[in-house]
Amino acid sequence: RKEVEQDPGPFNVPEGATVAFNCTYSNSASQSFFWYRQDCRKEPKLLMSVYSSGNEDGRFTAQLNRASQYISLLIRDSKLSDSATYLCVSRMDSSYKLIFGSGTRLLVRP
Amino acid sequence: EPEVTQTPSHQVTQMGQEVILRCVPISNHLYFYWYRQILGQKVEFLVSFYNNEISEKSEIFDDQFSVERPDGSNFTLKIRSTKLEDSAMYFCASGLTSVLGELFFGEGSRLTVL
Repeated sequence: RKEVEQDPGPFNVPEGATVAFNCTYSNSASQSFFWYRQDCRKEPKLLMSVYSSGNEDGRFTAQLNRASQYISLLIRDSKLSDSATYLCVSRMDSSYKLIFGSGTRLLVRP
Repeated sequence: EPEVTQTPSHQVTQMGQEVILRCVPISNHLYFYWYRQILGQKVEFLVSFYNNEISEKSEIFDDQFSVERPDGSNFTLKIRSTKLEDSAMYFCASGLTSVLGELFFGEGSRLTVL
């Protein structure tokens, strides 16, 4: 079973739409979670950390459900520039490494 | 804005040759990493480096690989005898602490092994 699992998409949405991505993780020892964004053939960049209480950063909202081992990312009012692959990432407290999911591809059309 | 820089951006090599990928992390960062991404696949952890030694490595990081920080500035990844399956994008990353998940990645070095 994959450590971090995501729907690969692509999600094809019109500008202004709201879109949600889900992610599940298999290791209950995972303690920290993040969403990274990766543009085509570019490096990953941190979008936001995910806190247990849920957190919001502008148009982006992240949620964590530890009981279900499930993380989500909601993007409101999608922009063309949001088109990218969104990577769900976990880290265990005992470890230095980030564990990446395979990513969910988002295409925002005019 | 400070950034992680990597050289070369693309290297083509023959199977069996040695390759050195170079990285200059952000100057006040203390934790350094190499990740790789095979085309179409996920980003995979190779190794982390702190206080001039390897702090963690993955099963991918076998005896073929080594890292060093020779001059307090550059952070290098050496692949001793490249194989076809080493073809990938290699990302260097640095972070200020080990606790936070915010790593700053370089633009990557694409390695093609023929």
